[in-house]
Amino acid sequence: DAKTTQPPSMDCAEGRAANLPCNHSTISGNEYVYWYRQIHSQGPQYIIHGLKNNETNEMASLIITEDRKSSTLILPHATLRDTAVYYCIVRVYGGNNDMRFGAGTRLTVKP
Amino acid sequence: GAVVSQHPSRVICKSGTSVKIECRSLDFQATTMFWYRQFPKQSLMLMATSNEGSKATYEQGVEKDKFLINHASLTLSTLTVTSAHPEDSSFYICSAPLGGRQFFGPGTRLTVL
Repeated sequence: DAKTTQPPSMDCAEGRAANLPCNHSTISGNEYVYWYRQIHSQGPQYIIHGLKNNETNEMASLIITEDRKSSTLILPHATLRDTAVYYCIVRVYGGNNDMRFGAGTRLTVKP
Repeated sequence: GAVVSQHPSRVICKSGTSVKIECRSLDFQATTMFWYRQFPKQSLMLMATSNEGSKATYEQGVEKDKFLINHASLTLSTLTVTSAHPEDSSFYICSAPLGGRQFFGPGTRLTVL
């Protein structure tokens, strides 16, 4: 799986958009970008994934650059409950492929 | 979405004893499940892949005789930490794949005294 690079920590004001970047310059053509988050002492929670088009769901938006070497996860209106470690993972879609975690970004939403 | 459960959520045991952790996929079947370990302030580290009907595959550096994995059915995988020691104290998390995603259990916090 391709390696990802994320900033170790970020702050965001409550109610504002949180933009979390991820670099994955060695991504392969068949690899998707996945985002998960882990709230303290819980299992990781799926947020969103995409291949090359921008994606949006009820939790977040995923913006992938045209060359697919980087992406941004956007939480449009961050709340205190969004404080968590966010992981960007690149892997082949489907099957029984494992998921390997990097260090992630610790997002702190402040009142 | 799909649900993965773990039992127990928390366990405290004495050094030298064995501890079993269960991972269940509640509303879907999984021929493969994954076990992770997470130490404080660190990321999740993949320990092993649990395969229904066959032996588990372990990541480099993970002792297969210490961390016994049994994938008894299409909805249950168990991780047994044998002869646990304080350095085995950690947060253990399982996951199961469905539809291109991984669904994670809530984790089991093991404390070995």
